[in-house]
Amino acid sequence: AQKVTQAQTEISVVEKEDVTLDCVYETRDTTYYLFWYKQPPSGELVFLIRRNSFDEQNEISGRYSWNFQKSTSSFNFTITASQVVDSAVYFCALSEETTDSWGKLQFGAGTQVVVTP
Amino acid sequence: KAGVTQTPRYLIKTRGQQVTLSCSPISGHRSVSWYQQTPGQGLQFLFEYFSETQRNKGNFPGRFSGRQFSNSRSEMNVSTLELGDSALYLCASSHGQGAAYEQYFGPGTRLTVT
Repeated sequence: AQKVTQAQTEISVVEKEDVTLDCVYETRDTTYYLFWYKQPPSGELVFLIRRNSFDEQNEISGRYSWNFQKSTSSFNFTITASQVVDSAVYFCALSEETTDSWGKLQFGAGTQVVVTP
Repeated sequence: KAGVTQTPRYLIKTRGQQVTLSCSPISGHRSVSWYQQTPGQGLQFLFEYFSETQRNKGNFPGRFSGRQFSNSRSEMNVSTLELGDSALYLCASSHGQGAAYEQYFGPGTRLTVT
């Protein structure tokens, strides 16, 4: 069963618009970690943020912000004032604390963000 | 610090052949994980190595294997290649083992099987 769901396949925006990417996860663990990665056309996955299950404080880093809500099992990501360089595929991922999940990131299907000038 | 490096970057093989991909983690990182990325299946976990031992394995056939050396460098091998093995293979390293550690990815090896 899919543990991480990114319902949006592609989002197209014009430069300077805000864009919000949705991520819904599923786990029975009480301790888990959530991540966002960016994959530009070059192919390399770039780490953006990590959140643990005990820290629901939202975070802002420059033009990026994250909204973690355990009550709805969501970990959404917003890019404010988007730029062309933000065009990429964005992945949400889950890592669980159980032994058989060590080193294993479970990724969503990804959301393609297209920012046009 | 240098990032994760993977060699080769591109590879073309024929069905039935075998292939070995190499990954050098970030200096000081002891855990290496491998992932396969395809348009149909997305990003899927292959296996994870820590201190030269495979600690976790994804749901892939035995044709996929790997190993880790004492300097934390890792290789993965795919034997008897099938057309469906065509994919981007990504290697990631992390400082420690466990869910808390973020993984840093290399640029990947794009394998094409003809």
